[in-house]
Amino acid sequence: EVQLLESGGGLVQRGGSLRLSCAASGFTFNNYAMTWVRQAPGKGLECVSGISGSGDSTYYADSVKGRFTISRDNSKNTLYLQMNSLRVEDTALYYCAKRGASDFWSGYSGFDYWGQGALVTVSS
Amino acid sequence: SSELTQDPAVSVALGQTVQITCQGDSLRMYYATWYQQKPGQAPVLVIYGEKNRPSGIPDRFSASSSENTAYLTITGAQAEDEADYFCKSRDSSGNHLVFGGGTKLTVL
Repeated sequence: EVQLLESGGGLVQRGGSLRLSCAASGFTFNNYAMTWVRQAPGKGLECVSGISGSGDSTYYADSVKGRFTISRDNSKNTLYLQMNSLRVEDTALYYCAKRGASDFWSGYSGFDYWGQGALVTVSS
Repeated sequence: SSELTQDPAVSVALGQTVQITCQGDSLRMYYATWYQQKPGQAPVLVIYGEKNRPSGIPDRFSASSSENTAYLTITGAQAEDEADYFCKSRDSSGNHLVFGGGTKLTVL
């Protein structure tokens, strides 16, 4: 059974940092791209970052580029999101999700498994 | 604002057919992916690729597209289909993944 378990969320002041982790199990982790998708309270979905199965290709939304860094440790089956210079508008539930392919840009797959999310709250 | 446009809300009578639309210029070049999200839950993939359903998704869910519009059709809507539905694709530059704003489906 595929499981994705996020951790590391919390309350942080504007300008602060947090690191989210996503522990994966139930599949061969390094065979699949991974992504972080966030959802502000009562709002829609935003794909903020993604990474290929090997870790050699990454993607960032313009809203987080230069502030967030995605990485993965395939030996530990864990995905990370380092978030620096946090803004109030980064407040959201952050989901870790698995892509159904090793290539993040694969047009023939979707995000087929999701965690339950980690809540990040940035105060002013 | 998103480069993929969805109607904010749609309703359907129980057992009837409903079509949820997603419009954007990028859909002329890229497939739309569809997700269902119920309150307090993580999104669930319902359609990927051109019109593929993951295992466990009922066959009443189907997808199609024409020009710059993608369609998610639910044939014989059930009460449990009441949810928010989001489309996803690339933006018009092809360099970013974007979600539509979502459509809240009410089953009457």
